[in-house]
Amino acid sequence: GDSVTQMEGPVTLSEEAFLTINCTYTATGYPSLFWYVQYPGEGLQLLLKATKADDKGSNKGFEATYRKETTSFHLEKGSVQVSDSAVYFCALSQGGNNRLAFGKGNQVVVIP
Amino acid sequence: DVKVTQSSRYLVKRTGEKVFLECVQDMDHENMFWYRQDPGLGLRLIYFSYDVKMKEKGDIPEGYSVSREKKERFSLILESASTNQTSMYLCASSLPDRPDTQYFGPGTRLTVL
Repeated sequence: GDSVTQMEGPVTLSEEAFLTINCTYTATGYPSLFWYVQYPGEGLQLLLKATKADDKGSNKGFEATYRKETTSFHLEKGSVQVSDSAVYFCALSQGGNNRLAFGKGNQVVVIP
Repeated sequence: DVKVTQSSRYLVKRTGEKVFLECVQDMDHENMFWYRQDPGLGLRLIYFSYDVKMKEKGDIPEGYSVSREKKERFSLILESASTNQTSMYLCASSLPDRPDTQYFGPGTRLTVL
């Protein structure tokens, strides 16, 4: 079945550092891809999305590009802030299917 | 502002108890979902519903049931709670065929003793 793989382990970095979180997917067809963020004590909220190959999703300084050739959707931010500390989930959805398949999530901790 | 609310933020129950987790959305969404979130496992879909009185099993339905009597409300039921059901439970709703409209509630952290 369709699945999403995120890099292992939490990510700890200093304020203003560059952030990358890797996400690769396995799917038949052409899924839509998403990044969700979960701030402490809250539910998940959509951060950005891309619906076709080479699309770039962006929001709040975060970006991710849908790469069909490498089946990837890596999340990047050029200069992180303490307020970006959260858990980040990569997800995919196939057309006509209302379900989302989530990766395991990555805890990001930004130190002042 | 769109809202998905869950009846409790924290819940402590004993093994064998029947547990009800309630979720209400005010966006007139047809689809509603129940997930559990565990460290190292991410989110796993328990059940979802695409209309009133309709339900479908997700990836881990064992030990759970659901009820959708009204469009805005989706209940998750643990018939006989067990310690391995200690987890964070997240409810979500979305429009049909619009997974990018999936909105989540704040979660219920359930502890089964």
